[in-house]
Amino acid sequence: GDSVTQMEGPVTLSEEAFLTINCTYTATGYPSLFWYVQYPGEGLQLLLKATKADDKGSNKGFEATYRKETTSFHLEKGSVQVSDSAVYFCALGYTGTASKLTFGTGTRLQVTL
Amino acid sequence: KAGVTQTPRYLIKTRGQQVTLSCSPISGHRSVSWYQQTPGQGLQFLFEYFSETQRNKGNFPGRFSGRQFSNSRSEMNVSTLELGDSALYLCASSVGQEISYEQYFGPGTRLTVT
Repeated sequence: GDSVTQMEGPVTLSEEAFLTINCTYTATGYPSLFWYVQYPGEGLQLLLKATKADDKGSNKGFEATYRKETTSFHLEKGSVQVSDSAVYFCALGYTGTASKLTFGTGTRLQVTL
Repeated sequence: KAGVTQTPRYLIKTRGQQVTLSCSPISGHRSVSWYQQTPGQGLQFLFEYFSETQRNKGNFPGRFSGRQFSNSRSEMNVSTLELGDSALYLCASSVGQEISYEQYFGPGTRLTVT
């Protein structure tokens, strides 16, 4: 079956540091890949997505590239801010069952001044 | 535009009881999905409803059930509660089932079973 593996957290960075959160997946088909973010006390918000191999999703300074050869979708940001502190989830899904997302376990990011 | 709302936000129940959680999707959204979030298992898909029909189901026992009304509002029910059912239950809505449609999540209902 499908699965998503994320790096263990928490990840603690100083403001303006470079961020990488690793995500790899195992899929039975050709999924779309997503990054969601969850701020304290809130639901998940879609951060970015990529629907096919070599696509790059980007939003709010975050980027991730769909790498089929390495089955990866690593999240990166060049300069993090304190406001980026949250839990980040990598996920995959398929058209037709798009609501049935398979999530990773989440990576908590804490950014300090 | 109002977001996805879930009621109640917090709930404490006793083992063996049953519980009903409610989700109101964004206006115009016909697909509603439910997820269970726990520290040990992470986010797991429960089921999805589209136009009042269950379209997809996750690997949960029959104690977990749901339904969707004609106005797209959805409820999920858990009968004979167990301690392991303590979790954050998230509801998400979208326009449809195509991957291009974004899912919008509600803040969740935190259920504690004692």
